[in-house]
Amino acid sequence: DTGVSQDPRHKITKRGQNVTFRCDPISEHNRLYWYRQTLGQGPEFLTYFQNEAQLEKSRLLSDRFSAERPKGSFSTLEIQRTEQGDSAMYLCASSPPGWDQPQHFGDGTRLSIL
Amino acid sequence: AQKITQTQPGMFVQEKEAVTLDCTYDTSDPSYGLFWYKQPSSGEMIFLIYQGSYDQQNATEGRYSLNFQKARKSANLVISASQLGDSAMYFCAMRAINTGTASKLTFGTGTRLQVTL
Repeated sequence: DTGVSQDPRHKITKRGQNVTFRCDPISEHNRLYWYRQTLGQGPEFLTYFQNEAQLEKSRLLSDRFSAERPKGSFSTLEIQRTEQGDSAMYLCASSPPGWDQPQHFGDGTRLSIL
Repeated sequence: AQKITQTQPGMFVQEKEAVTLDCTYDTSDPSYGLFWYKQPSSGEMIFLIYQGSYDQQNATEGRYSLNFQKARKSANLVISASQLGDSAMYFCAMRAINTGTASKLTFGTGTRLQVTL
């Protein structure tokens, strides 16, 4: 049973560039979540997919952010025109159905904006 | 809206001793779940234990137990027989069921636990 996989682990880019992150959830999990975590803080919710449908988006998800899960399996998170404030750890999680089911997290992608 | 408060930025405990990490929560939803996660320096969030709002008994998972006091809105994590490998950040999180945001977890700011010899 492989866990949640995220790629890349680290991304360094210049301000104004676009970046894309990938998340592969646990295969039998139909729910997928993206969170952002800044230094010294807990993760903050960004968006949620059930299968291929994006059912919930946080106010934190500005129009520069877009997420997809085209076939209900892997997901991508794209940030356009990156800004200094986008520097953070981006965490992906997945879970089976059921509100009492824990979300299982990947190792995250650390984004640094120069 | 849901809120999680962890008032202990850092805690020290000696190896083999027990330690309690505090968590209080606020929600108007009568149905909710409480989760604890461990985040080592490597960064991965590791699920530890779950408590549902309607569960009659406190949850236990190996050396982890949850001291759930519903009236006080607290869900403290107790780690027994601490080990050096327990040194990490610990996050309390909640999910409210009947609101429009039933999917997301709301996290606290975490407690950094250091286990000493």
